[in-house]
Parts: sequence; structure tokens; C-alpha cells
Amino acid sequence: DAGVIQSPRHEVTEMGQEVTLRCKPISGHDYLFWYRQTMMRGLELLIYFNNNVPIDDSGMPEDRFSAKMPNASFSTLKIQPSEPRDSAVYFCASSYDVGQPQHFGDGTRLSIL
Amino acid sequence: GQQLNQSPQSMFIQEGEDVSMNCTSSSIFNTWLWYKQEPGEGPVLLIALYKAGELTSNGRLTAQFGITRKDSFLNISASIPSDVGIYFCAGQLRRNTGKLIFGQGTTLQVKP
Repeated sequence: DAGVIQSPRHEVTEMGQEVTLRCKPISGHDYLFWYRQTMMRGLELLIYFNNNVPIDDSGMPEDRFSAKMPNASFSTLKIQPSEPRDSAVYFCASSYDVGQPQHFGDGTRLSIL
Repeated sequence: GQQLNQSPQSMFIQEGEDVSMNCTSSSIFNTWLWYKQEPGEGPVLLIALYKAGELTSNGRLTAQFGITRKDSFLNISASIPSDVGIYFCAGQLRRNTGKLIFGQGTTLQVKP
């Protein structure tokens, strides 16, 4: 079975630009999570969805960040406008159920210049 | 907020040696997970623990869910060069939420 698929793998853009990160969860998984990983703060949960509905977005840092899940096989994390401090690796993860382990994609390495 | 204290922060060992790392918290967790992350990749699940006192093995890896539910450890026996990576513990406070709290990671280097 295919794992969690994220795109792009790398993104370099100038500050002020809009950035869209994409995620395809594992088929049949009802939960989808977006994380951000930095050296300073480690892995932080940004938002998670259950059956395409956002459940907890308390980790979203600012209004510049938004996430959507229009269907069970696709989610986006958007940053608009982007800032250099948004540079990080962004991971998407999915799980079959809330009590089941989360499986991670290989991440998007984002650099904002 | 809740935090997990993972130690040691890094280890540099000789191939064949055993390794032990642990996570502690002031909060009680219902689930403990151990992940390994290699450069350029996402964390990969190694072991999941669901009950206090549970001891689970996965090949040369063994992990335990502490009796107090506030800690967990991971042991790697007879380390090999491919064990190199960053190991993360993660805890779930309540099983009816999806929120995981991650430790800061233990970087393991193995000298052949």
C-alpha cells in the first residue's frame, strides 16, 4: 500500500508569496494531521481533521496559515503571505482511527527567502 | 503546555553495543509511541504501547510503557550502523483525541 504522499518535497520561495503544500493520506485513514518540524521547537501539531472536518486547529501559528480537506484523499496547507520564519519541514500524517498510530509522509522542506 | 523530556539528547556508540533512551513527563499518557527519523524522511513508527506496564519488542528493539504512565523507554540491542537516526517518543494524553506530543529526539550515531 502507498504511504502518505506529500508534494512538493522541496519549496523555495520569496517572502510574501503564497505557498501551498499538499497531502494525500493513506486510503481508508479517517484522520489527517499537519505538523511542522524545526530545530528550535521540534515536531509541533498544527491542525488535524477527522472525516475531512477540522477538529483542532489550536496549533496553527497565525491567520496566515490555513488548511483544508475537500475530500478524503486530499488536504492542503496554505501560507499566505509567507515569511522567513515559516521555513521548516512540514509533515502530513494519517491514522485509521484516533487511537491508532499516525503514519507520516516524507515532508515538504520549505525555505522562505 | 504538556512536555515530554527525552534523554539522552544524543549518543555516539560502538557497533554491537546496546542502547537505552527514555521519555518522562509530569502528565499521564494513554499511549506511547516510538518513531525513528532518517535524514530527508518522515518519522517511521517503530513500536506502539497501549497499556501501563506493557513490554513490546520489534526485532532488536524493545519498549516499555511505564507503570506510572508518565514514562517510557526504548532499548536497542546489538546496535548496527543502520540504526543511525533520530529516535522520537510521542505520547497521547487521551485516546479520544488525535493529539500527539513529541519528545525532542535522541540522535544516535553508531561507529562501525
